[in-house]
Amino acid sequence: ETGVTQTPRHLVMGMTNKKSLKCEQHLGHNAMYWYKQSAKKPLELMFVYNFKEQTENNSVPSRFSPECPNSSHLFLHLHTLQPEDSALYLCASSQERLREQFFGPGTRLTVL
Amino acid sequence: TQLLEQSPQFLSIQEGENLTVYCNSSSVFSSLQWYRQEPGEGPVLLVTVVTGGEVKKLKRLTFQFGDARKDSSLHITAAQPGDTGLYLCAGAGSNYQLIWGAGTKLIIKP
Repeated sequence: ETGVTQTPRHLVMGMTNKKSLKCEQHLGHNAMYWYKQSAKKPLELMFVYNFKEQTENNSVPSRFSPECPNSSHLFLHLHTLQPEDSALYLCASSQERLREQFFGPGTRLTVL
Repeated sequence: TQLLEQSPQFLSIQEGENLTVYCNSSSVFSSLQWYRQEPGEGPVLLVTVVTGGEVKKLKRLTFQFGDARKDSSLHITAAQPGDTGLYLCAGAGSNYQLIWGAGTKLIIKP
């Protein structure tokens, strides 16, 4: 595998379910990001990890919980989501903050 | 709060036509990145501009950074169906974050 991979690619869940999104980067980068992408809106930065340490949490509801066990893997744990949380969730990595970001293909999440 | 506005939001043109999309702000950015996102994929970096007034070319795509580093444009010459996608700009903001525009959705019809 090369680049940034994300699983699953599609996820449908009920509001009471618990699920997790997985991201893996094979680029040796130090920073990893979770973004939420909704139609006609700018990418919303959710979480940033730099050298495995969470450096930012942009006022994200607690029903989203990130985990970064090592510099190559990033998870987003989902619990008790709302229909408005339906969106494309993108993972990205970069060598340094503000440098080029490499994105995975995203997980298309639908909350029923 | 730093914002980036992209225009137009949507553009549909015939193959072979020229087009320009814009990325504007009232804030100064130290650099600006342009990405293209195709359906079912994540954004992919096209270019980074750093110096005010800088012009970069990528085949039929020409990117310009404004002299004051507050705005940027992307011009496509003789558009091809393969240019179809969502074009995103992102500026390196003062709070060490990338500030993203909402994107221009471009459709090139054969």
